[in-house]
Amino acid sequence: DIQMTQSPSSLSASVGDRVTITCRASQGISNYLAWFQQKPGKAPKSLIYAASSLQSGVPSKFSGSGSGTDFTLTISSLQPEDLATYYCQQYNSYPITFGQGTRLEIK
Amino acid sequence: QVQLQESGPGLVKPSQTLSLTCTVSGGSISSGDYYWSWIRQHPGKGLEWIGYIYYSGSTYYNPSLKSRVTISVDTSKNQFSLKLSSVTAADTAVYYCARAVRQDRRIGIWGQGTTVTVSS
Repeated sequence: DIQMTQSPSSLSASVGDRVTITCRASQGISNYLAWFQQKPGKAPKSLIYAASSLQSGVPSKFSGSGSGTDFTLTISSLQPEDLATYYCQQYNSYPITFGQGTRLEIK
Repeated sequence: QVQLQESGPGLVKPSQTLSLTCTVSGGSISSGDYYWSWIRQHPGKGLEWIGYIYYSGSTYYNPSLKSRVTISVDTSKNQFSLKLSSVTAADTAVYYCARAVRQDRRIGIWGQGTTVTVSS
């Protein structure tokens, strides 16, 4: 199985900050990488696919980059509604696997 | 707009079979463009992919659960289902159904999730 490791596991940032979350795959996955946002008590929501393509309806303050084994999710101009846990997921090969999540708190 | 809704018992006894159904509305499950998926989340934990099914009945399962999992599709009802046998407390989780694009297997739409507790 491909292991997905996110860092940090949690972070706290202020409104207006730019935040970056990192995801590393245990082997190359090309750009078959997605990011999901899960707000407390809610289902995950798709943000980004193919490492850098924004899902329809997702604000442009979310952006993704990377290829191979190293990927990043960046949230520009953090807002209170961005409070959530963010997960990366590889869909390059079976079984599909997720990162352990990064909990984002607003200071 | 396509929506997915999970349904099924919220409480299952140990050693029994967990059965859930996902009803697809706003689109046809027989569309050849998508896989239909089950994913679960243990309390306070991360996400675990269970498996996919294509409308034709082809399936892909997580090897860690393969011996206990069956995913099936009922195109006449626009539903797909999950059965997980011989459950234990470790199967207590929120279960989500989701739609993935067949071309590259990326998940785009999730159901709201349903909580299943395994307890006597």
